[in-house]
Amino acid sequence: GAGVSQSPSNKVTEKGKDVELRCDPISGHTALYWYRQRLGQGLEFLIYFQGNSAPDKSGLPSDRFSAERTGESVSTLTIQRTQQEDSAVYLCASSLMSGVIGEQYFGPGTRLTVT
Amino acid sequence: SQQGEEDPQALSIQEGENATMNCSYKTSINNLQWYRQNSGRGLVHLILIRSNEREKHSGRLRVTLDTSKKSSSLLITASRAADTASYFCATVLNQAGTALIFGKGTTLSVSS
Repeated sequence: GAGVSQSPSNKVTEKGKDVELRCDPISGHTALYWYRQRLGQGLEFLIYFQGNSAPDKSGLPSDRFSAERTGESVSTLTIQRTQQEDSAVYLCASSLMSGVIGEQYFGPGTRLTVT
Repeated sequence: SQQGEEDPQALSIQEGENATMNCSYKTSINNLQWYRQNSGRGLVHLILIRSNEREKHSGRLRVTLDTSKKSSSLLITASRAADTASYFCATVLNQAGTALIFGKGTTLSVSS
């Protein structure tokens, strides 16, 4: 079946503009995660959705970042008033398991460049 | 600060040689996972080892876990050029962790 998909694959935007990134998880996966990866670095956790529970937003770096998820399907990550330090690859992952985390399935990512 | 730290940061070997990467972490974990990333994009899950396991195998991969030393190692045997990638360890904390905590990764280059 289809894996996790993300769109767009690349996004170049001007500083100060808002951007919206989209993630389509694997069908049936209740858990969805957003991560950010700066060049040459590991992944930073941003936000986690699990079913109908309140999302864990503890990793969001500022109030310019927000995310939504519709039921157990599509999620969008919105960055308002983008800054150059927001430039990174934004990765989405989904997982079957609730509770303690098991294997995560990653999308190809969206490479965001803020000029 | 990083929960997981991989060592070495970069490793270059010849095809057919074995590659060993290490990961150290700071707090108690529920499980530890290894992922591979090609060309800075999506990650692929390789193997998961639980805190009550000491060793696990999957094909040419062998993972060990030493909870007393808070460390894990990933061994790739008989490496191939296609193994060239970045490898990350990721840990799940004991206390109902809601996300994986990733290290900065080891970049492996396998030349033919």
